Amino acid sequence: GENVEQHPSTLSVQEGDSAVIKCTYSDSASNYFPWYKQELGKGSQLIIDIRSNVGEKKDQRIAVTLNKTAKHFSLHITETQPEDSAVYFCAASNTGTSYGKLTFGQGTILTVHP
Amino acid sequence: GAVVSQHPSRVICKSGTSVKIECRSLDFQATTMFWYRQFPKKSLMLMATSNEGSKATYEQGVEKDKFLINHASLTLSTLTVTSAHPEDSSFYICSARGPGNQGTQYFGPGTRLLVL
Repeated sequence: GENVEQHPSTLSVQEGDSAVIKCTYSDSASNYFPWYKQELGKGSQLIIDIRSNVGEKKDQRIAVTLNKTAKHFSLHITETQPEDSAVYFCAASNTGTSYGKLTFGQGTILTVHP
Repeated sequence: GAVVSQHPSRVICKSGTSVKIECRSLDFQATTMFWYRQFPKKSLMLMATSNEGSKATYEQGVEKDKFLINHASLTLSTLTVTSAHPEDSSFYICSARGPGNQGTQYFGPGTRLLVL
């Protein structure tokens, strides 16, 4: 089955700096890679996703890059703000099998210091 | 759009009782919903895949008689924790697969279960 590794487990940055979180996956058949933000005691919110036919996607301060050959994808947050502080999870799935169930990374605790 | 709700948000129960958690897709139909369990400071663990009108598919190690799943309509799936014990205390989160075959999942806000 799919295995997703996420690094770092914790990340601390100053407000205004950039933050990068990286994930690797094992199943070359995976074709969908979402990123979720989870605030303390709450459910997960989809913040951006990318599919295997695209190498990069950007939405305002958030971008995701995908390298299919190396089987890794990354989340980039620019001009970080204190409200970006949360736990971020990457995930991978093959949308054509098993109803597209997601395999999650271990999570990254991002802290943005004002 | 794509809002998923969960009820209750928090529940405290006595050991031995059963607890039902509801997951609803509010503005779209979801033939497939997923149930996850999350321990403190840990990632989401998929428990089962719930499909409308058919039996749920459970992940290895998850007891289907312990965690009963019913997906009776295109907007509602329920998870019942039967004969709950303190070790069942956890954060339970559902997600609903969005329209089409794009694979996008929308998550509910989660249910915090505490079994005394």
